[in-house]
Amino acid sequence: DVKVTQSSRYLVKRTGEKVFLECVQDMDHENMFWYRQDPGLGLRLIYFSYDVKMKEKGDIPEGYSVSREKKERFSLILESASTNQTSMYLCASRKGSGSGGIYEQYFGPGTRLTVT
Amino acid sequence: AQSVTQPDIHITVSEGASLELRCNYSYGATPYLFWYVQSPGQGLQLLLKYFSGDTLVQGIKGFEAEFKRSQSSFNLRKPSVHWSDAAEYFCAASGYSTLTFGKGTMLLVSP
Repeated sequence: DVKVTQSSRYLVKRTGEKVFLECVQDMDHENMFWYRQDPGLGLRLIYFSYDVKMKEKGDIPEGYSVSREKKERFSLILESASTNQTSMYLCASRKGSGSGGIYEQYFGPGTRLTVT
Repeated sequence: AQSVTQPDIHITVSEGASLELRCNYSYGATPYLFWYVQSPGQGLQLLLKYFSGDTLVQGIKGFEAEFKRSQSSFNLRKPSVHWSDAAEYFCAASGYSTLTFGKGTMLLVSP
């Protein structure tokens, strides 16, 4: 089974702090994704990565950055946390479509971040 | 623009009754379609997917979904709901890059 793990289930940070959310997958997937989930808004894509050292902006990248130095790890960085970044953050991974196929995304358990 | 619509925010179903959750998509071509389920405080679990071929797809936990091109729909069904099915359900569509999610339908199961 694919396993996607996230470094923390719950996190409380103060406004202005730099925050790192880590995601690790164990299935050698090329693609990785970061979403935030808010009530009534569903899941919104923040950033994604097709492969190591590659990144693409999603729908709501403002206030976030990402890092992918190794294939299995994809980090989301909040450079200066703000209260409007309080949310559930979900990481996902997916096999790349280089072979011509489209594959499903596998999700981690999520990190509930509270910024006070 | 690509979009996925789940018209029902909440649905309440009696245990043992049948269930249908609606999903409509708007895409330039036939997308790849998925249903995910999320239990409280958890990540998303894939229930089923449609890529091509037979328009009725079977998934885990007794769920199935039917793709109807003419209606741009991909509705999720289950013949008999169990209390453990109470969760939030997300329909999603994908081209070659990213997933577009609907806003979700919360399923409540009454005794």
